[in-house]
Amino acid sequence: TQLLEQSPQFLSIQEGENLTVYCNSSSVFSSLQWYRQEPGEGPVLLVTVVTGGEVKKLKRLTFQFGDARKDSSLHITAAQPGDTGLYLCAGGEENRDDKIIFGKGTRLHILP
Amino acid sequence: DTAVSQTPKYLVTQMGNDKSIKCEQNLGHDTMYWYKQDSKKFLKIMFSYNNKELIINETVPNRFSPKSPDKAHLNLHINSLELGDSAVYFCASSPRQGVTGNTIYFGEGSWLTVV
Repeated sequence: TQLLEQSPQFLSIQEGENLTVYCNSSSVFSSLQWYRQEPGEGPVLLVTVVTGGEVKKLKRLTFQFGDARKDSSLHITAAQPGDTGLYLCAGGEENRDDKIIFGKGTRLHILP
Repeated sequence: DTAVSQTPKYLVTQMGNDKSIKCEQNLGHDTMYWYKQDSKKFLKIMFSYNNKELIINETVPNRFSPKSPDKAHLNLHINSLELGDSAVYFCASSPRQGVTGNTIYFGEGSWLTVV
């Protein structure tokens, strides 16, 4: 059983479109993180959300932590080819914050 | 300067061989990790060390043995390599243990192919 479910697994859209990817769990997390991984490289942290309902913005990227701290979303406005990559959500369960768990990722491809 | 560096980047070897991957971080972090990413891009933790002490060992076969000579280095030795060991192995480090308020810095990965 995968603790963090990400959807969709794959997404290919045209430049300029908006998109949202999701990270869901039945467990409560003390915090959730989003990473982006480009081909041939390791994941790089984009953001950490800690408080239920928290919203953080990083230029055209908006991250939200669910009120119950069981889910998170990443919304990209006016997607650009440079946004292409594998987006991973990760977090520590409320009673096991020592171990970070990764979702399987959403592979995003932005077509020019 | 590379923060987390691992070598080799690419490794092709035959079944049954023994190989090592080395990792060094120059960030002064206390915690280091080894992750395995399979062909479907699923990233799974294998080991974590804090100040040279093993903290997490996630049901990894005994053929995998991490070694941390000091807190800046965490090497991974693999005995009797099997086809299923083919994957990308990422070394990573973070200032401390835990998730909240912590950032994990990943190396570029070591692409292991067992033939």
